[in-house]
Amino acid sequence: DAMVIQNPRYQVTQFGKPVTLSCSQTLNHNVMYWYQQKSSQAPKLLFHYYDKDFNNEADTPDNFQSRRPNTSFCFLDIRSPGLGDAAMYLCATSREGGVYEQYFGPGTRLTVT
Amino acid sequence: GQNIDQPTEMTATEGAIVQINCTYQTSGFNGLFWYQQHAGEAPTFLSYNVLDGLEEKGRFSSFLSRSKGYSYLLLKELQMKDSASYLCAALDSNYQLIWGAGTKLIIKP
Repeated sequence: DAMVIQNPRYQVTQFGKPVTLSCSQTLNHNVMYWYQQKSSQAPKLLFHYYDKDFNNEADTPDNFQSRRPNTSFCFLDIRSPGLGDAAMYLCATSREGGVYEQYFGPGTRLTVT
Repeated sequence: GQNIDQPTEMTATEGAIVQINCTYQTSGFNGLFWYQQHAGEAPTFLSYNVLDGLEEKGRFSSFLSRSKGYSYLLLKELQMKDSASYLCAALDSNYQLIWGAGTKLIIKP
């Protein structure tokens, strides 16, 4: 089945220790998104790629970076995680932008100790 | 600013009908999405409306009034598995999704 895969599902890191979250997709979608979602809050868009064209949301902290080496894979790097970065990180894809539905991966739950 | 408002929590009884409302204020408008999110899981797509009116899809229906900046999601014949959060998201003039915080729906037997 075509899908969006995120690894790991659960990640524990120490305060200030860099961490990388990964996402892959077999849907061959052009657009990939990274969201941060905290409990009972709306998903917050961090980045999105249209093909390899990178788009950084204006209020995404510099502590967060992203890479998309090819159509299938996307990575989220948190350079120096703080306690406030503990959240669910969701990767999503869509065929094109905008009017097309987004397909989400299962998410990575990040804990910062 | 851009804003989505939806109730924080609703409770309904198994077998009943529930309507979850959403109002939006966006810079331009290119449609409205509803997603379902079970606790600890990723959102899954339910519906997309861009024209006024009601769209029915099985037990779920979604309604849009562009002039009022208003949408609702109607769930019929509620089942326990419908217990989840329901996220409303509006597409603005730049085709960016503006997300609501979600409505947590609790189904009681």
